Amino acid sequence: EAGVAQSPRYKIIEKRQSVAFWCNPISGHATLYWYQQILGQGPKLLIQFQNNGVVDDSQLPKDRFSAERLKGVDSTLKIQPAKLEDSAVYLCASSLGEQETQYFGPGTRLLVL
Amino acid sequence: GENVEQHPSTLSVQEGDSAVIKCTYSDSASNYFPWYKQELGKRPQLIIDIRSNVGEKKDQRIAVTLNKTAKHFSLHITETQPEDSAVYFCAAIQSGGSYIPTFGRGTSLIVHP
Repeated sequence: EAGVAQSPRYKIIEKRQSVAFWCNPISGHATLYWYQQILGQGPKLLIQFQNNGVVDDSQLPKDRFSAERLKGVDSTLKIQPAKLEDSAVYLCASSLGEQETQYFGPGTRLLVL
Repeated sequence: GENVEQHPSTLSVQEGDSAVIKCTYSDSASNYFPWYKQELGKRPQLIIDIRSNVGEKKDQRIAVTLNKTAKHFSLHITETQPEDSAVYFCAAIQSGGSYIPTFGRGTSLIVHP
């Protein structure tokens, strides 16, 4: 089966610019996660969707980050405006259900200058 | 919220030795504990998981043990091989309404030939 797809794979922007990431989960997976992984650390959950509803976004910096999952399939994560500390790998993952195996995408490596 | 501590941060072993990585969690409502392996520049991949209704699970050279009373779980790799070299992450998934994953900071395992 096809895996989780993400784009772009790499992005370099200057601080205060905006950026958007896209994720296409595995077909049929109801749960979608966005993680931020800073170098040398574990993935930190930003937002979790169940179909097109938000399950948890308690660690999403809502003053600058937003995410949506229209129609319960693809999802986009946006940062506006970006800060230097947003430099990280942004991982998207999906699973059949909330306590099922998560399958990760290749990630988007963001560098904010 | 949940807090997951992972130790050690770095583990260096000789090929053929065993490796043990330990995690503790804080929320007794957590009941699903997956382990992920992340090779350099690649996405995390599930290697084994355990649910709170069992104390141990084994898959070839990999095993996971869970002590619910002490709130800790461990990954055991026997007969290590150089290809086991990677960063390993534990996670705890909370239950009770929403299933929120919290990851440990990771353990860098180096297996010397």
